[in-house]
Amino acid sequence: GQNIDQPTEMTATEGAIVQINCTYQTSGFNGLFWYQQHAGEAPTFLSYNVLDGLEEKGRFSSFLSRSKGYSYLLLKELQMKDSASYLCAVRDGDYKLSFGAGTTVTVRA
Amino acid sequence: IAGITQAPTSQILAAGRRMTLRCTQDMRHNAMYWYRQDLGLGLRLIHYSNTAGTTGKGEVPDGYSVSRANTDDFPLTLASAVPSQTSVYFCASSDSGTGGYNEQFFGPGTRLTVL
Repeated sequence: GQNIDQPTEMTATEGAIVQINCTYQTSGFNGLFWYQQHAGEAPTFLSYNVLDGLEEKGRFSSFLSRSKGYSYLLLKELQMKDSASYLCAVRDGDYKLSFGAGTTVTVRA
Repeated sequence: IAGITQAPTSQILAAGRRMTLRCTQDMRHNAMYWYRQDLGLGLRLIHYSNTAGTTGKGEVPDGYSVSRANTDDFPLTLASAVPSQTSVYFCASSDSGTGGYNEQFFGPGTRLTVL
């Protein structure tokens, strides 16, 4: 089976930086995704890592270490609209996604 | 451009009733998926289809069935609904080639309550 762990909740101040960690143990690995999900809405794609290292996309960056089974999503210059759940998902050897339970980020003024 | 649509948006259903959740995509994606999302458990895969005419079981398939008669449609059927099937159901689709991210695109979800 798959095991994907991420913190349940995080709180940060507007303008600050927050790092959401994700650790995983899966049967096979074909990439790691981060999705954003606002309350009552569908998940939307944020980032994808398949090789080790950092991928930067505007205010959001995602890091992967395959040997450690570890990823993080970095949100910089936090805005109120960044309050959402962030889902870590690993694509396994059969190209199916397994999701973590999600991290709810609350941005305070 | 619709992307993925799901119907109904929400439904209250008596236990024992049969229910079909509809999902249609217009992106010509080969692969389609059904997930349920429950508080504290995240998204769990129910069934998937890698291409029209084929389906497979995910992590939590019991009590659900699917069909994939064509590329665009992927209905999910609850043959005899039970209260534990109360959840939010998301349909998703993706390309399935070896190049590119092949990220999954999600529909708006169906909120189902079984009483």
